[in-house]
Amino acid sequence: DAGITQSPRYKITETGRQVTLMCHQTWSHSYMFWYRQDLGHGLRLIYYSAAADITDKGEVPDGYVVSRSKTENFPLTLESATRSQTSVYFCASRDSGGAVYEQYFGPGTRLTVT
Amino acid sequence: LAKTTQPISMDSYEGQEVNITCSHNNIATNDYITWYQQFPSQGPRFIIQGYKTKVTNEVASLFIPADRKSSTLSLPRVSLSDTAVYYCLVADRGSTLGRLYFGRGTQLTVWP
Repeated sequence: DAGITQSPRYKITETGRQVTLMCHQTWSHSYMFWYRQDLGHGLRLIYYSAAADITDKGEVPDGYVVSRSKTENFPLTLESATRSQTSVYFCASRDSGGAVYEQYFGPGTRLTVT
Repeated sequence: LAKTTQPISMDSYEGQEVNITCSHNNIATNDYITWYQQFPSQGPRFIIQGYKTKVTNEVASLFIPADRKSSTLSLPRVSLSDTAVYYCLVADRGSTLGRLYFGRGTQLTVWP
């Protein structure tokens, strides 16, 4: 399917475990973003990527690792999950030639850390 | 980046026009005003952007006064399906990254 997809949609994990959230887009957009959304905080940027093999930190990067070996994929890894990382995670993408204000968001992954 | 301020929540009834006002007193010359919509259990979706005066598309209208220190998103004849959170953002059109800063948004609830 065309667009931006995230997997899994729901995940429950235990404190201390490593977990990877996947993001895949079919548009070949250069820019990709990871956000987390918590009640009372809106969306906060975790990491972003301007192209394959180019990534940088956003507002709240601690405890997260990203990689981007292929343009279409941008996985987010929680190296050792903590309860404070319980959140809804959204991946987004934007075309380098497109409007800077228009990002396309995936459906989100709801992660619960017990 | 200019901070935005908007109401936390608004209520309306089906068929009414809804206007959501956003304040952005420190908006810079290069900033666009952008609105996103987020339905429950979905990612945000871009709905409209403008720089000055009025912009209209199939979803909404955006009114921006000459001083650009505020903007108003207008939703004509809302329906139950317009119940969502609406985010007002400013985005630097000179930016290559296009980083967006989401506040808490306005929860619009439409009642039958």
